Amino acid sequence: AQTVTQSQPEMSVQEAETVTLSCTYDTSESDYYLFWYKQPPSRQMILVIRQEAYKQQNATENRFSVNFQKAAKSFSLKISDSQLGDAAMYFCAYKIPGGGADGLTFGKGTHLIIQP
Amino acid sequence: DAGVIQSPRHEVTEMGQEVTLRCKPISGHNSLFWYRQTMMRGLELLIYFNNNVPIDDSGMPEDRFSAKMPNASFSTLKIQPSEPRDSAVYFCASSLMEVQYFGPGTRLTVT
Repeated sequence: AQTVTQSQPEMSVQEAETVTLSCTYDTSESDYYLFWYKQPPSRQMILVIRQEAYKQQNATENRFSVNFQKAAKSFSLKISDSQLGDAAMYFCAYKIPGGGADGLTFGKGTHLIIQP
Repeated sequence: DAGVIQSPRHEVTEMGQEVTLRCKPISGHNSLFWYRQTMMRGLELLIYFNNNVPIDDSGMPEDRFSAKMPNASFSTLKIQPSEPRDSAVYFCASSLMEVQYFGPGTRLTVT
């Protein structure tokens, strides 16, 4: 079974600085998808960024980027120029390809605190 | 552009009562997922449907839980009878391809 591990229960960063959230996963599959979701206090799950395992190029979405190391099974999220609105729980998730018809396996989450 | 809609947003019920959670997926999406979030266990997949057909219900914790998807625009998750340990946030998500879009969740409290 696939597992996703987020080893940092909580992280704190000063506003405008950069923070990196860690995620490792275990799988025997060669093709899969990885995601980072954000859950603010409103509890809404919001997609931040996604990465296809067959793509070597790291995904980037504005201030959010990933460092995908397939051999090491590592998928970290870097947030640049941190803003107060970035404060939330961040979940790393894994999914095998299947046209959408497969569930996500989530890590336990990292609580990100932004210090003003 | 409406996202995934869930109702109710909050539900408080007494142990032993039947609880029904509802979900309307994004129009055009062909897969629907039910997840449960608790402090102890995190986010867990309960069941998912593809083209209204249940594909995998191995995550459903007990026979007290059941889910249906009578058509492409509606799904229910029912707990009967409810127990205090069922207290959690229940999310519905839908997808067309690989990305899943989540509803706002239903916070269930069983006293």
